[in-house]
Amino acid sequence: QQPVQSPQAVILREGEDAVINCSSSKALYSVHWYRQKHGEAPVFLMILLKGGEQKGHEKISASFNEKKQQSSLYLTASQLSYSGTYFCGTERLGSARQLTFGSGTQLTVLP
Amino acid sequence: NAGVTQTPKFQVLKTGQSMTLQCAQDMNHNSMYWYRQDPGMGLRLIYYSASEGTTDKGEVPNGYNVSRLNKREFSLRLESAAPSQTSVYFCASRLSYEQYFGPGTRLTVT
Repeated sequence: QQPVQSPQAVILREGEDAVINCSSSKALYSVHWYRQKHGEAPVFLMILLKGGEQKGHEKISASFNEKKQQSSLYLTASQLSYSGTYFCGTERLGSARQLTFGSGTQLTVLP
Repeated sequence: NAGVTQTPKFQVLKTGQSMTLQCAQDMNHNSMYWYRQDPGMGLRLIYYSASEGTTDKGEVPNGYNVSRLNKREFSLRLESAAPSQTSVYFCASRLSYEQYFGPGTRLTVT
């Protein structure tokens, strides 16, 4: 079952902050975050694992609430280069490394 | 390192025609995946291969077949293309945490 992302779209000015949320109805092993620019392939940003481990890019932060099966991606002091569509991908316990992606959040950063 | 490569980049098919999308990775990854992405939507898993010699169905496998030819290559075949298969197809590979995506194949079925 597809995770639910919110909001669907957000428009910011450079320097502003944004939070993107992802929630699942299933017990999760991990949550992945990817960014996709128009016409390009998705690029890995971060993974949050059950138990608290995180791996990803230094300037990106995220949280994973294991009890609620929810994750949030925090974009602080946004730059023009942050524009794109952000997808969360969830990996369920026992799913043999399959990711199920949400429908995406379109982020636009204006000068 | 070329990473994940896909051929072709663009393809137009007529309904009923067949074709194979090719994917190769040079990172010695065990797992490989095929996704489709429709306009304004997320990625949906078609098939995956956890390791050489194994393949499994994903969320939307109908109308597709796959072959894990060796550790490097994972191909996706459309036996009889339908307009509903018009999409962008991404191949990906994974060793531990990160999935690396290829540049995509934009397929139109008329």
